[in-house]
Amino acid sequence: DTEVTQTPKHLVMGMTNKKSLKCEQHMGHRAMYWYKQKAKKPPELMFVYSYEKLSINESVPSRFSPECPNSSLLNLHLHALQPEDSALYLCASSHPRGVGEQYFGPGTRLTVT
Amino acid sequence: GENVEQHPSTLSVQEGDSAVIKCTYSDSASNYFPWYKQELGKRPQLIIDIRSNVGEKKDQRIAVTLNKTAKHFSLHITETQPEDSAVYFCAPREGAQKLVFGQGTRLTINP
Repeated sequence: DTEVTQTPKHLVMGMTNKKSLKCEQHMGHRAMYWYKQKAKKPPELMFVYSYEKLSINESVPSRFSPECPNSSLLNLHLHALQPEDSALYLCASSHPRGVGEQYFGPGTRLTVT
Repeated sequence: GENVEQHPSTLSVQEGDSAVIKCTYSDSASNYFPWYKQELGKRPQLIIDIRSNVGEKKDQRIAVTLNKTAKHFSLHITETQPEDSAVYFCAPREGAQKLVFGQGTRLTINP
């Protein structure tokens, strides 16, 4: 199984809402990633978890809160977002020590109203 | 941090012709150089990658060449087909985990 799954596929939320994005993989990967991709732009790294510990935070605003409850799951908790946070949020996974590729999930299309 | 430049930003070729996309990077410590293909509305998918101890790698119609001295690597697609139309990203790796994506090349294959 070389698949990363993400739910939901689409999410519309108001600026006062709290929501969560979920990501799951069963490839035994111990590194998991969140990326943000705006339209016609490349993916931008937000967070990296390695062995369930946060290893990279690319100076992301605190209204985005990642969580890695176990080696297969990655969540992104959203609170008090702004309209400019509307984007495709991609999850990825890989082996943690730079071996092999990063596998991407299909993404969650987020719209903040 | 890694600075990545990718050229061209758009490329249009006739079906059956070849396409070449170039990526330059700044971090001399980078040792892993992947190319991702992203079709409209879909996830990025790895199409080929190369490590710093190799100068060229081929997989059927796709090849990647690496010049570590000049800090650039290129994607070569031969005998292009309509299904090759997509956005292509280079993404040299900084450190053990961080991919730094280029701005992308929109490739259009004209029948």
